[in-house]
This record gives sequence, C-alpha cells and structure tokens, in this order.
Amino acid sequence: DQQVKQNSPSLSVQEGRISILNCDYTNSMFDYFLWYKKYPAEGPTFLISISSIKDKNEDGRFTVFLNKSAKHLSLHIVPSQPGDSAVYFCAAIDSGTYKYIFGTGTRLKVLA
Amino acid sequence: KAGVTQTPRYLIKTRGQQVTLSCSPISGHRSVSWYQQTPGQGLQFLFEYFSETQRNKGNFPGRFSGRQFSNSRSEMNVSTLELGDSALYLCASSLPGATNEKLFFGSGTQLSVL
Repeated sequence: DQQVKQNSPSLSVQEGRISILNCDYTNSMFDYFLWYKKYPAEGPTFLISISSIKDKNEDGRFTVFLNKSAKHLSLHIVPSQPGDSAVYFCAAIDSGTYKYIFGTGTRLKVLA
Repeated sequence: KAGVTQTPRYLIKTRGQQVTLSCSPISGHRSVSWYQQTPGQGLQFLFEYFSETQRNKGNFPGRFSGRQFSNSRSEMNVSTLELGDSALYLCASSLPGATNEKLFFGSGTQLSVL
C-alpha cells in the first residue's frame, strides 16, 4: 500500500523553464511534507518542506504547494538549471507516530 | 560537523549468507532510520531507532533487524540473504526528539546478492 505516490517516474524540461513535480498521498494523518533531492551515488538531501497548516512555501527557485483537500503537493523549480537534474522524492510525516514515508521518486532531467 | 557515515560502501554476498551494515549518525542526533532503495520502489522504510529503542518498523520480514547503541550508532542485519535483497541501503539521522525534522542521509551501502 503506497501511501505517498509520485506517478511520474521521469520528467524532462528545457533549461530556464519551469519544472513541476507532483506527489499524492492517501493518509489524512500526514501533517508535514518534505522534498528531497538525490544525485547518483549520494544519499538524498533535504530541499524544502511545508506544514499542513500552510498551502505554500518558497525558498529561492523552489516552491512547494499543498492542496490538503486533494491530498496533493507539488514542487515548482523556476528557472530550471542543468544542476537540478536528479531524482526527487516527496515524503510525508505522521507526527503522531513519527512515521516518515517516501514516494517512489521522479527523475528530473534539465536539458541545456 | 561530520555527516552520516555508512560502512561498508559496497558489499557482495551470496544467497543464504548474512550481512551487517553500520551507520554513524551526525553528532548529537539520536534518531536513526534505515531505508531500502530499489529501482521503481523508491525509499522503503525499514525501521527507526531513538535512544536505543525501536520506535517504528516498516513492512519487512523478520530477516531484517537492527539495533542502536548508547552512542547512537546503529547496525542493520539481514539474515539468510535472498536475491531480492540487492539494493542500496540508506541510513538517516535527525535531531533528538524532533517530529518534523529533516533527515540527514549517508551515502548508503550498495548490497549485491549473487
């Protein structure tokens, strides 16, 4: 039972354009969401997060949007750069149980 | 501050053997969790330890076990290895007692089972 889903395994975007990565979840007890980026042969690194009491959080080129009613979040990268090419994982936390669940990942390729 | 350290970096084993992986968290971090990454399956949660106690467990068979020591270092053991256990095993640590804290990952141990 995949509680956090990333339905697009891969995405290609032209440099300078917007990248939009999507994530859906099923558990209404999740109250905190995070995005991680992973390069080959390295562990994932934290990118940006959002609490369930907010609907948007911005950090430089990265913005995360949360739609609680749809149980959907998205990561926007503007403008996209070749160095953003990596696998992106969304994650959700159930603060009551400390459970931290990751999605299956989306491989982003930014074309120069 | 040193990051999360995982050893060994690569490991090759044969079916039926057992393996122990090691993880040293960032100094001051008391929560350590383990994940299995395979192509198409994302990061599957194995278990999480906090102050030497297993706080959460994922849906893996009993062949997968772990422990945490008083210095917060953690080990993960897989017994009776199967071909399907071939994966990247990632360890992550986070601040003590935090619930919404970001995880800091090591580079992982790449396990190949032949």
